[in-house]
Amino acid sequence: DAKTTQPTSMDCAEGRAANLPCNHSTISGNEYVYWYRQIHSQGPQYIIHGLKNNETNEMASLIITEDRKSSTLILPHATLRDTAVYYCIVRVANDYKLSFGAGTTVTVRA
Amino acid sequence: GAGVSQTPSNKVTEKGKYVELRCDPISGHTALYWYRQSLGQGPEFLIYFQGTGAADDSGLPNDRFFAVRPEGSVSTLKIQRTERGDSAVYLCASSSSLRRASMDEQFFGPGTRLTVL
Repeated sequence: DAKTTQPTSMDCAEGRAANLPCNHSTISGNEYVYWYRQIHSQGPQYIIHGLKNNETNEMASLIITEDRKSSTLILPHATLRDTAVYYCIVRVANDYKLSFGAGTTVTVRA
Repeated sequence: GAGVSQTPSNKVTEKGKYVELRCDPISGHTALYWYRQSLGQGPEFLIYFQGTGAADDSGLPNDRFFAVRPEGSVSTLKIQRTERGDSAVYLCASSSSLRRASMDEQFFGPGTRLTVL
C-alpha cells in the first residue's frame, strides 16, 4: 500500500530547473515528506524533508501544497551528476523506517 | 569524515551456502539499519538496531536471516541456506539519534551485491 505516487521517469536539460512531483493524498498530520536520491551503484542519499512549510537547502527546494496532498522537489540548476532515482517518502515522526517506493528515474541531458 | 562502509562489495555464493555481510557505521551513530534492494525496486527495510539490541526485526523475510551488533558499532547480517531469491543488494545505513527522529538523516553505505547461483 504505497503512500506516495511518483512518475516513473522524467528527462530534464542540464542547467535548467528540474521539478519532481509527488502525490501523497492520504498523508496524516504527523507525517513528514522526505526526499532521497540514489545514484547508480550507490546507496540512497538524503536530500531534504518538510512537514508543511516550504524548505530549502544547498541541494534543493521542497514545495508542499497547502493541503499537504502533494509536493514538488526542485533542483534549481540540474547537472549531469543529478541523474539518479529520486524517492519521495512519507514518514511518521519518530518512525525510524524509510519506506521506499519505486521512485522517479531522472535523466539530466546535456 | 568516513561514511558507512560495507564489505564485501560483491559476494557470489552457491545455493545452500551461508554468508555474512558486514557494515561499519559512522562513528558515534547509535542507530543502524539494514535494507534489501531487488533489481528495479526501492530498498526494503529489514532490521533496525538501537545500540546493541535489535529494536525491530519485522522486515526480516524468514528465520534464515539474522543480524547482530554485539558492541553497538559494527553489524553483521547473516543468511543461512541461501536461495536464489536472496540475490539482491543489501544496504546498511546509520543515524545519530532517535530523540528527534523526524530530523534523522540516514546515511547509507554503498551496499553489498549478493548473487546466489
